[in-house]
Amino acid sequence: GAVVSQHPSWVICKSGTSVKIECRSLDFQATTMFWYRQFPKQSLMLMATSNEGSKATYEQGVEKDKFLINHASLTLSTLTVTSAHPEDSSFYICSAPNRGQETQYFGPGTRLLVL
Amino acid sequence: KQEVTQIPAALSVPEGENLVLNCSFTDSAIYNLQWFRQDPGKGLTSLLLIQSSQREQTSGRLNASLDKSSGRSTLYIAASQPGDSATYLCALTGAGSYQLTFGKGTKLSVIP
Repeated sequence: GAVVSQHPSWVICKSGTSVKIECRSLDFQATTMFWYRQFPKQSLMLMATSNEGSKATYEQGVEKDKFLINHASLTLSTLTVTSAHPEDSSFYICSAPNRGQETQYFGPGTRLLVL
Repeated sequence: KQEVTQIPAALSVPEGENLVLNCSFTDSAIYNLQWFRQDPGKGLTSLLLIQSSQREQTSGRLNASLDKSSGRSTLYIAASQPGDSATYLCALTGAGSYQLTFGKGTKLSVIP
């Protein structure tokens, strides 16, 4: 089956630094990828839709200048958390729909801890 | 705006029992509904996908049903096993979109 990878799986950083998370589709091309955030005991909340070759679409309440998304190729989307703060600590998961299969494949997630 | 509710939030059953997880949604204009499994600290694994025109899907010991008119879906797990312990998430896709709206999940514990 289709595989989506994320890197890193774990990251701990100091407040004020920026963190980049990569999401790759390993055996298929994805013109669209989604970025979700999951706080403890909460469900996944869609943050933004990453579109290859164009600007990302952000959900209401998500700061586009804080969460920078780049979808530079058909297999890679990156999420950069700029000037991270402790409240940004969360589990970030990306997904990619496989064209024509009407389902989404999820990455294993990246746990971010901002000290 | 679509809202997805899952009840119960947590469930503990002895091994071997059959069980039902519930999912309800407010907007019946859905494209499809999926059930996912999430293990602690891990990503999501798709279990079953039901198109809006379908009533149910089965995979092994799992059976998912969909009743759009009442805004409900159930996930039936037969002969539960300790390995079934995980959080089960229900998610919907609206027409013409890949975007998923998730419920908060049901945390299942199967006791040996």
